[in-house]
Formats: sequence, C-alpha cells, structure tokens
Amino acid sequence: TQLLEQSPQFLSIQEGENLTVYCNSSSVFSSLQWYRQEPGEGPVLLVTVVTGGEVKKLKRLTFQFGDARKDSSLHITAAQPGDTGLYLCAGASRRYGQNFVFGPGTRLSVLP
Amino acid sequence: NAGVTQTPKFQVLKTGQSMTLQCAQDMNHNSMYWYRQDPGMGLRLIYYSASEGTTDKGEVPNGYNVSRLNKREFSLRLESAAPSQTSVYFCASSPRPTYEQYFGPGTRLTVT
Repeated sequence: TQLLEQSPQFLSIQEGENLTVYCNSSSVFSSLQWYRQEPGEGPVLLVTVVTGGEVKKLKRLTFQFGDARKDSSLHITAAQPGDTGLYLCAGASRRYGQNFVFGPGTRLSVLP
Repeated sequence: NAGVTQTPKFQVLKTGQSMTLQCAQDMNHNSMYWYRQDPGMGLRLIYYSASEGTTDKGEVPNGYNVSRLNKREFSLRLESAAPSQTSVYFCASSPRPTYEQYFGPGTRLTVT
C-alpha cells in the first residue's frame, strides 16, 4: 500500500487545455514537494508547500496544499508541450527520519 | 559545478554478481540518498545519510549496503544481485532532510 496516491496515473491532453492532478494520503505531512521528471533524467523540484491551505504559483502552475495537510493538487493553465513529463509528489514522513516518501506519479503528455 | 554525478550510467549483471554504484555531489550538502524507481511505484528510498558518518535504512534496504565515504561521496553496493533489483537507481543530495533534493541522472541496472 502506497503512502501517497496520485491521480490520474496517465493524462494526455491538447496544447492549450487546462488540467489538474492530485496527490492524496491518509497521513499528515509536515511538508510536501512536487517534482517533474523528464525521460532519462532525475526529478527536478518545482515547489515545496508547508502550511495547510497554502497556494503557490509558478508561472502557469498553481500548487495547493490541503487544509489538513493530507493532500495536494497541481493545476496547469494552458498546457504546453514543454510541460510533458512525470509529475511526482513527495511528503515528509517521520517514518524515515523526516525524509520524503514519493507517490507513483502522474505521466502527462501534452500534444501540439 | 557538476551537481550530483553517478557512475555508471548503464550496467548489466548476472544473478549473484556484485557491484558498487558511485555517487558524488559538489554542493557541500549534508544529506545524501539512494532511491530506486520502478514503473508505477514512484521513487522508493533505499538508504540515506543525514550527515557525514551516519547511514540509516529507508523503505527498501534489503539486499543493499551503503558507505558514506566522506561528505561528497555516497556509494551503494549490491553484494549478490537478483533479478528483483533490476531498476533505475537515483542518488540525491540536500542541505538537510526536508529541504530540496537534487538528483543525479540515474543508473539503469539490469540483472539477468
């Protein structure tokens, strides 16, 4: 059983569309991170959220941390082919010394 | 400034063989990590080193050993490789736990 669930698992959309991906858990996290990973490379951090209800914007990407700090969402406005990749969420867990536990990821494909 | 480097990039082993994956970072980070990434499973923490001189087990440590050689280097050893260890291995570093992690490019390992 995964500590973090992500949905959808796969998403294929046309350029210009909006989308939201979700990261959910039954556990409370002290902080949560979102990463994007491109094929053949390691993940790259997009954002860290630490406060329940927090909203952060990074250009066309909007990240929200749930009030109870158990879930998060990533919304992309007017998606572009450069947004294509694997989006991973990771929650800080006391189980492993406050290191991050990763979800399985959402694989996004934005078609031109 | 190379960031996090990993060697080798690709490796094929026969069941029962041993090998060591090397990782080095030049960012003066205290914490280093080894993950494995399998399809649909996200990144799973194998071992971590919160600071030089310490190592701890993560979520999936069985079949692996690690050495924090100095502040820069953190190696992962497979003593007797098994097909279940076929995966992509990522090394990462961070200033300290819960901070941003910087990932290496990965090592793709196949055990036949």
